[in-house]
Amino acid sequence: GQSLEQPSEVTAVEGAIVQINCTYQTSGFYGLSWYQQHDGGAPTFLSYNALDGLEETGRFSSFLSRSDSYGYLLLQELQMKDSASYFCAVGLSGGFKTIFGAGTRLFVKA
Amino acid sequence: GAGVSQSPSNKVTEKGKDVELRCDPISGHTALYWYRQSLGQGLEFLIYFQGNSAPDKSGLPSDRFSAERTGGSVSTLTIQRTQQEDSAVYLCASSPPGTVNTEAFFGQGTRLTVV
Repeated sequence: GQSLEQPSEVTAVEGAIVQINCTYQTSGFYGLSWYQQHDGGAPTFLSYNALDGLEETGRFSSFLSRSDSYGYLLLQELQMKDSASYFCAVGLSGGFKTIFGAGTRLFVKA
Repeated sequence: GAGVSQSPSNKVTEKGKDVELRCDPISGHTALYWYRQSLGQGLEFLIYFQGNSAPDKSGLPSDRFSAERTGGSVSTLTIQRTQQEDSAVYLCASSPPGTVNTEAFFGQGTRLTVV
């Protein structure tokens, strides 16, 4: 089957760096995306990796290793407003279906 | 509009009734997705539409669920004979040409409660 695994919760301190991991089992996919969702809000796109390596977008970076079936989202200089749920997602090959992980809830403490 | 619009934002219905959920994607976006999210859970794929291609309905949980997209724009998700387990937030997303499977723009969702 096709699945993505993420930790359910992560807690970090304001100003710190946190890494949210995503491991996946898929037969083939185009790339790995990350989305942020605040309570009661819509998921918003953060980052996308089509190729192995690191993509940097401001305070957020995302990494993909296809050989390890693994990716992560790195958040630097954490702010209280970063407290939210973070989802990894893969677009499956052969079509346009995208599947999501169950999400990681990030708590940022003062 | 500027973003993906969904209506209604909230819907309370009695078990056994039919409901229709509407999604207006961003103008020019060729791909449209429906997802379901239960409280505190991830997003469950339901169906996607891509241009004039046949939709991928592989995520629809039962034959009580159906969706259509008229004129390549507005989409309606219909749930017949609603059950309590259908209670969830139903999210619609759209993607512009060339970014399908990479970036999706989500609406605020319709929170469906079946009582």
